[in-house]
Parts: sequence; structure tokens; C-alpha cells
Amino acid sequence: SYVLTQPPSVSVAPGQTARITCGGDNIGSKSVHWYQQKPGQAPVLVVYDDDDRPSGIPERFSGSNSGNTASLTISSVEAGDGADYYCQVWDSSSDHRVVFGGGTKLTVL
Amino acid sequence: QLQLQESGPGLVKPSETLSLTCTVSGGSISSSSVYWGWIRQPPGKGLEWIGNIYYTGSTYYNPSLKSRLTISVDTSRNQFSLKLSSVTAADTAIYYCARQSGNLYWGQGTLVTVSS
Repeated sequence: SYVLTQPPSVSVAPGQTARITCGGDNIGSKSVHWYQQKPGQAPVLVVYDDDDRPSGIPERFSGSNSGNTASLTISSVEAGDGADYYCQVWDSSSDHRVVFGGGTKLTVL
Repeated sequence: QLQLQESGPGLVKPSETLSLTCTVSGGSISSSSVYWGWIRQPPGKGLEWIGNIYYTGSTYYNPSLKSRLTISVDTSRNQFSLKLSSVTAADTAIYYCARQSGNLYWGQGTLVTVSS
């Protein structure tokens, strides 16, 4: 089965740039989506199809995907960006399985 | 605006069947190229995909749950449902329903506790 690997935690000072990675075999050939989840809340889509932002998501959130690594980059990090972040792909070609990364806890110092 | 709302018992006894329904409003469950899925999250842990269904009734299940799992759809009520049998404490989680078209659009989630 397909596996997505994320670092358990990332720490960054306010105003700096945070980068959260999502590793998978040839992930560059798939569409990657990123979710932000704050305590007690459902996940919220922040980046879809590798590098697109839903309406209402700040431009500070961006994504990239190439080779075996996809990344979510948050520039000018704010205290409110502290949350868990999950990457996700969907294998629509075979068993329609949805795969999540293990999640990364972003701590704003 | 699309809304998904989970409903069902918040407490289930071990060995019994967990049953949840997701009601879709603001959109049709019969949309083409859209799947409807269930995801769960044990307390303090990550997200686990349970399975999904197309409006025609085609289902796709997580292999680790397949033997205990049934997902069904009722297009007349714009609802889809989850049944997970023979539950144990390990099935305690927040259960989310979601619209799936590549990325996911989530319901608010409902906590289900398995305990006697």
C-alpha cells in the first residue's frame, strides 16, 4: 500500500518560514492536498492539487510537488498557524484509496 | 453551500455494530465524479481513511476494516451510511464524513466511544 511520510513536528519563530514535507514513492505523479487541523476542529483544506489555494486561504500558504517529496510552505508564520497539518493523496486509478500522511505538528515559538 | 452532518449514537458497546449516517445538504449526492467517504481519528492520533462510495453504490474499503465494514447510499434522502461491526475500544474515534473529489470536504465529525 502507498505510504506518505511526514515529520512529526516542525518548530518556527513568528515571521519566519515553515516548510512541512510529505514523502512518497513518485509522489510527484500524484495530486497532493494539504489540511490544517486545530484542536477540536475538523480538518480544513489549505492547499489542493499540489499548489492551489482554496478561496479564503492566505497567500502565505503554498505548495509544491516533485519527485518523491511534496511540501507545504507557510511564509511569515503567525501564532494562529500553529496546528496539525496532513498531506493526502487519492488513488483514483485502482482501489480509490485515500492515503493520509501521519501529520505534522507545527509549533510557533 | 455544501454541508455534511454526521449523526448516530455516541456510545456503542463492545462487540456491537457502530452505525452512522451522513446527511448532505446544499448539493446532490448523485453528482458525477464525486465520491462520499468516511474518515476517523482516534483521540490524539492521525487520520485514517475508512472507505468511500459512489452514488451508484460502488464501494471502496480500507483493507484493514473491510471484513467488518459496510457503506451504503440512499440517493432519495441524500444520505450515506457507515456500519462497522464487532467494535472494540480501538474503534473509539471521531468519525468524519466527507465529499471526495480528489481533495476532501469534511463534515464537523462525531465522537463515537466504544465502552460497556
